[in-house]
Amino acid sequence: SQKIEQNSEALNIQEGKTATLTCNYTNYSPAYLQWYRQDPGRGPVFLLLIRENEKEKRKERLKVTFDTTLKQSLFHITASQPADSATYLCAEISASKIIFGSGTRLSIRP
Amino acid sequence: GAVVSQHPSWVICKSGTSVKIECRSLDFQATTMFWYRQFPKQSLMLMATSNEGSKATYEQGVEKDKFLINHASLTLSTLTVTSAHPEDSSFYICSGRQGSGTEAFFGQGTRLTVV
Repeated sequence: SQKIEQNSEALNIQEGKTATLTCNYTNYSPAYLQWYRQDPGRGPVFLLLIRENEKEKRKERLKVTFDTTLKQSLFHITASQPADSATYLCAEISASKIIFGSGTRLSIRP
Repeated sequence: GAVVSQHPSWVICKSGTSVKIECRSLDFQATTMFWYRQFPKQSLMLMATSNEGSKATYEQGVEKDKFLINHASLTLSTLTVTSAHPEDSSFYICSGRQGSGTEAFFGQGTRLTVV
């Protein structure tokens, strides 16, 4: 069955460094991947969408890559700040549903 | 981005009663609504997908007679948890999408506690 996975449950880095989160998918090839941010007790907030024919997408300090050979998407936050601390979710989007990975809890320490 | 308003934000109910959660898209027409459930420190698990005017499609293991979903208009969907039990206590989140292959917008979530 198709699966989307975020292998790192938690990531803790120093403020100012680049945070890199990984999302892997198996047994299928999604046409789109999305990344969301979720704060405790809140619904997810959309950050970026990348299509399978796009290698890279940027938005301010955020960058997402999509490697169909490795079956992987990487999500980068440059010049990280404590306010970036949250859970980040990748999601596979199809015409009929949106399926989320397990999420990575990112903590940026001052 | 577009706004999805979900109410209530939290609710406590007695075991055996029913609870209705509302999800409204305020500035777009949500042709598709998704309902998710999230347990502590876990990811969002899709419960069902509904298209306006059609019956919802439930994911495997989700009881359609227990979790009643109505999507009667392009701006409103409701989830009713019938005969709630303590194990139904969770964080329920709705999401609306206009068209396909596009981003979805999420409600604030509803914290349901069944006592």
